[in-house]
Amino acid sequence: AQTVTQSQPEMSVQEAETVTLSCTYDTSENNYYLFWYKQPPSRQMILVIRQEAYKQQNATENRFSVNFQKAAKSFSLKISDSQLGDTAMYFCAFWSYGGSQGNLIFGKGTKLSVKP
Amino acid sequence: GAVVSQHPSWVICKSGTSVKIECRSLDFQATTMFWYRQFPKQSLMLMATSNEGSKATYEQGVEKDKFLINHASLTLSTLTVTSAHPEDSSFYICSARRPSGANVLTFGAGSRLTVL
Repeated sequence: AQTVTQSQPEMSVQEAETVTLSCTYDTSENNYYLFWYKQPPSRQMILVIRQEAYKQQNATENRFSVNFQKAAKSFSLKISDSQLGDTAMYFCAFWSYGGSQGNLIFGKGTKLSVKP
Repeated sequence: GAVVSQHPSWVICKSGTSVKIECRSLDFQATTMFWYRQFPKQSLMLMATSNEGSKATYEQGVEKDKFLINHASLTLSTLTVTSAHPEDSSFYICSARRPSGANVLTFGAGSRLTVL
C-alpha cells in the first residue's frame, strides 16, 4: 500500500526567508504523480505544485520548487521569499492508481507559520 | 477554469436527521468525483469515489448506507449523511479530476457538518 509521510508537524519561518518542507513516500509503482497542496485557514485546498515521476527535472512554480529524489522516494517543497499569505497547512500527496479510478493519498500535513 | 462548488458550506442538524451536501463542477464535466472527510487538525481521508452513472466505490470502513453518494450527472455529485449522529460531525470536502488530466484534483471549499 502506498503511504505518504510528512515528519514535520509544524514549522515556522521569518518573512522573506526560505523554508523546506519534507515528504517521503512508499510505493511499488514506477509511474505516478506527486503533489503539494496548501490549505489556508479558509480550509480551501489549493494546488501548489505537481511532479510527474517520469520527469527528472524538478518542478518549479514561481517561489515554490520541489526536490524530487525518486530513488530515495523523497519529495520536498521549498518556499523562497516566504510571504505572510503562505501561512497554511501543507499536504504532500501521491496519486495512486490502485482501484479502478485511482485516488489521492495525503500525508498528515505540516503547519507552516510565516512570521513578520 | 476547473471550478468546483460545494454547498452548503456549513450546516447544523439534529441527531437522527439526514443532510445532503452537493458538489458541482461549474465549468467542466467530471465523470469522477471524490469525497473526503477531514477531522480537526488532521489530514484528508478518502471516503468514496463517485462515478457518474454507476455506484460509488467506498473505502474500507466507510458505511455506504450511512453515506449515500449519488452522481446522476456529469456535473453533480451529492453526499447524503443519513440518520446523522454527533460522531458524524466533521468537515467534508469533495473534489473532481480536472479535464486536463495529469490526475490533478480541484477541490470544493468544503462543508462543515455539526450534528447536535
